[in-house]
Amino acid sequence: DIQMTQSPSSLSASVGDRVTITCRASQSISSYLNWYQQKPGKAPKLLIYAASSLQSGVPSRFSGSGSGTDFTLTISSLQPEDFATYYCQQSYSTPGFGPGTKVDIK
Amino acid sequence: EVQLVESGGGLVKPGRSLRLSCTASGFTFGDYAMSWFRQAPGKGLEWVGFIRSKAYGGTTEYAASVKGRFTISRDDSKSIAYLQMNSLKTEDTAVYYCTRVCSGSYYWGDYFDYWGQGTLVTVSS
Repeated sequence: DIQMTQSPSSLSASVGDRVTITCRASQSISSYLNWYQQKPGKAPKLLIYAASSLQSGVPSRFSGSGSGTDFTLTISSLQPEDFATYYCQQSYSTPGFGPGTKVDIK
Repeated sequence: EVQLVESGGGLVKPGRSLRLSCTASGFTFGDYAMSWFRQAPGKGLEWVGFIRSKAYGGTTEYAASVKGRFTISRDDSKSIAYLQMNSLKTEDTAVYYCTRVCSGSYYWGDYFDYWGQGTLVTVSS
């Protein structure tokens, strides 16, 4: 099985900050990496697919990069509605998620 | 507008069965694979399984943790996907989410573009 890790597990940031979350796969997964946002009590929402493609309707302050084993999700200017938990998910094999990164208010 | 609505969750005793439904609207249901995920209280996301569209054989794949106990099926005439859960264990307690796969099957690079609101299943004596 492919293991996914994320760092940090949590972070505190202020509105307007640039935030970067890292996801690492235990083996190369090419660009088969997706990012989801989940707010408390809500379903996950797809943000980025294929490592860097922005899902329709998602604000352009979200971006993704990487290939192989190392990936990043960047929020260029954190907004109040962005405080949430972010998960990476590999689609190289049967779906597997990272443990999540919780972004909260500093 | 794409909508997925799960139903059928509730409290059930260990060893018993439960069937969840996912009613879809806003898209041609039969063209897409459908998948189920779950999230135990305070935990991360876990893939449960998926069912391919009829064009790809309507076949299923399951996570090891539920294989042999859970069955996914679909009724394209009603736009409903089902998750039949048998021999339930306390560790199956979770919110269960229905999702749409972005294609008719699940290939390398696919993703889950729409999610239902989830339904809570609690397995307890």
